Amino acid sequence: DAKTTQPPSMDCAEGRAANLPCNHSTISGNEYVYWYRQIHSQGPQYIIHGLKNNETNEMASLIITEDRKSSTLILPHATLRDTAVYYCIVRVGSGSGNTGKLIFGQGTTLQVKP
Amino acid sequence: KAGVTQTPRYLIKTRGQQVTLSCSPISGHRSVSWYQQTPGQGLQFLFEYFSETQRNKGNFPGRFSGRQFSNSRSEMNVSTLELGDSALYLCASSLGVGLSSGANVLTFGAGSRLTVL
Repeated sequence: DAKTTQPPSMDCAEGRAANLPCNHSTISGNEYVYWYRQIHSQGPQYIIHGLKNNETNEMASLIITEDRKSSTLILPHATLRDTAVYYCIVRVGSGSGNTGKLIFGQGTTLQVKP
Repeated sequence: KAGVTQTPRYLIKTRGQQVTLSCSPISGHRSVSWYQQTPGQGLQFLFEYFSETQRNKGNFPGRFSGRQFSNSRSEMNVSTLELGDSALYLCASSLGVGLSSGANVLTFGAGSRLTVL
């Protein structure tokens, strides 16, 4: 079973920030939080990942709470092309966790509206 | 650099037939994983190959099998097709080794959509 809990759906106005929450209360100390998204009928796309510090890249920002039990993915200026299903996944970052096995939950369907 | 390439993109088979799907990973990636996506079950892990060896396996029947070649290219096979095997089959590649958490980032292909009639 997935170790994360996400709301099934969210709406966001185009141009506004989209904040997608994720709960992972059972996360272990060596587990990272990874975010992927899947645009309709395409393969999932990696967005960002982090351990405990906030992370930012060209696509998004990841805010992880101090107790690491939850996180928020932020798309700063959502566009219509950001409409997708967003998956939050926790897993070991490296070493013995170097595997291609991801456990996907149901994710959050983000609908960006004009 | 080229992404993950899956062939064929679409195919139609009938019950009882078998099918082989192909995946070419990103150059330098040694891990190839396969996933099945259906509306009812979502994305489910099938298996993973690393250096020509199956490293992980999901909870699927033995009709689902795979292999990896020395150039890291991978194939998966489904025998005795059933209607419920209709799905999008996704392949993903990653470095598979290394101390960086980025080594675990998966890059997915566009998928092979299988319809079983």
